[in-house]
Amino acid sequence: KAGVTQTPRYLIKTRGQQVTLSCSPISGHRSVSWYQQTPGQGLQFLFEYFSETQRNKGNFPGRFSGRQFSNSRSEMNVSTLELGDSALYLCASSLDFHGHPLKNIQYFGAGTRLSVL
Amino acid sequence: GQQLNQSPQSMFIQEGEDVSMNCTSSSIFNTWLWYKQDPGEGPVLLIALYKAGELTSNGRLTAQFGTTRKDSFLNISASIPSDVGIYFCAGQWYSGGGADGLTFGKGTHLIIQP
Repeated sequence: KAGVTQTPRYLIKTRGQQVTLSCSPISGHRSVSWYQQTPGQGLQFLFEYFSETQRNKGNFPGRFSGRQFSNSRSEMNVSTLELGDSALYLCASSLDFHGHPLKNIQYFGAGTRLSVL
Repeated sequence: GQQLNQSPQSMFIQEGEDVSMNCTSSSIFNTWLWYKQDPGEGPVLLIALYKAGELTSNGRLTAQFGTTRKDSFLNISASIPSDVGIYFCAGQWYSGGGADGLTFGKGTHLIIQP
């Protein structure tokens, strides 16, 4: 069974641009969550999608947005990039975030490393 | 956002030694998880805990869900070179209506000295 796949693995953008990252969850997983990882702030929850709807949201500005498609694949978008947005963006999928705890275990992809110049 | 207090930040140990690390929170969780992250990869789940006081093992790894629900501990026995990496604790609050996102500690960097 293939794991969580994130594309691209690396991205370089300049300030003010916007970027879209993609995540394909494990087959059969319905929930997708996004996290930002930086040396200073560590791993922080961005948002979670289930059935094409955002169900949970972390404490990030509105420049960070996402969506989920009917096949559970998800994308996140960051608009008007800032230097501080440079980070490893991780996607995690679970069978059913909204259900028994055992079904909430999140499996992570390898991430997309975004560098903003 | 909230973060968990994870300690130690780094550990320098000899191969074969036992390792202990812990995580504390100001809030309670009803799920505690331990992940390991290798360079260039995403976190990989090691152990999941769902009940206060629960003690769970996975090979040489043993983790405990603290009775206050505000802490958790991870022990690695007889460390080997492939144990090198960054270990993260994560807490989650789950209710019948859903679960919050994971709240992570800042990680324990495990280094094995030759």
